Amino acid sequence: DTAVSQTPKYLVTQMGNDKSIKCEQNLGHDTMYWYKQDSKKFLKIMFSYNNKELIINETVPNRFSPKSPDKAHLNLHINSLELGDSAVYFCASSKTGGSYEQYFGPGTRLTVT
Amino acid sequence: GQNIDQPTEMTATEGAIVQINCTYQTSGFNGLFWYQQHAGEAPTFLSYNVLDGLEEKGRFSSFLSRSKGYSYLLLKELQMKDSASYLCAVRDSGAGSYQLTFGKGTKLSVIP
Repeated sequence: DTAVSQTPKYLVTQMGNDKSIKCEQNLGHDTMYWYKQDSKKFLKIMFSYNNKELIINETVPNRFSPKSPDKAHLNLHINSLELGDSAVYFCASSKTGGSYEQYFGPGTRLTVT
Repeated sequence: GQNIDQPTEMTATEGAIVQINCTYQTSGFNGLFWYQQHAGEAPTFLSYNVLDGLEEKGRFSSFLSRSKGYSYLLLKELQMKDSASYLCAVRDSGAGSYQLTFGKGTKLSVIP
C-alpha cells in the first residue's frame, strides 16, 4: 500500500545520456512535485503539477522535462545528463485545500559519471 | 522570495529536550511545516502551523510567531532514533500557495 512510489531507486549513467524517472501516487492527490536534493542536502522545488497542469516551473535547465499523463503520475525526463545533475530526486504529492501537506516518495539517487 | 534560516547542526543527549529554531523572511506566508529526514530516506511530515501558538503532537511540539517570522520544533524525551535532519519549510500564499520553500535543514545528533 505504497503512497508515493518512484522508479528507479538508483540510477547510474554517463554524461550525455537521456534518462527518465517515474513517479506514481495512490493517495488521490491532485498536485505532484519534483524536488532535487543536492549533496549538501538542500531540498529545492523543480516543478509542480496540479490536475495535470504545470503550475510551478522553477529555474531549471530545459533539459529537464516533466510529464503528467494523469493526476496519479508525474514523470521526469532528463536529456543530455551532466555531472552536476547528480543528486537525489524526490517526487511528492499533496491535495488541494487544508494544509497542503506533502507526502514524499523514497527518492531516486542519480549518479552521472 | 523566501529566506529561511535554521542551525546547521545540533547535538543533544538521549532523554533530554532540544529546541530547533527556524526564522523566515517571506514575501507571502500561508503556513510553516516541519519535516524529519533520516539519512538516505525521504522527508516525512511532522507538524504544520498556520496560526500563532504551540501545536503539540506527542513528544514533538511546534511553535509559530508570524509577527516575528519565527518557529521552533521542540523534541522531548529524546531517543536515539530522533537522530535525523529536521527541515523547516514555508508555504507561499496566493498564486504560489502550492509551493513549499525549505530551509537547509538542521542535522540533529542524539548521543547516549
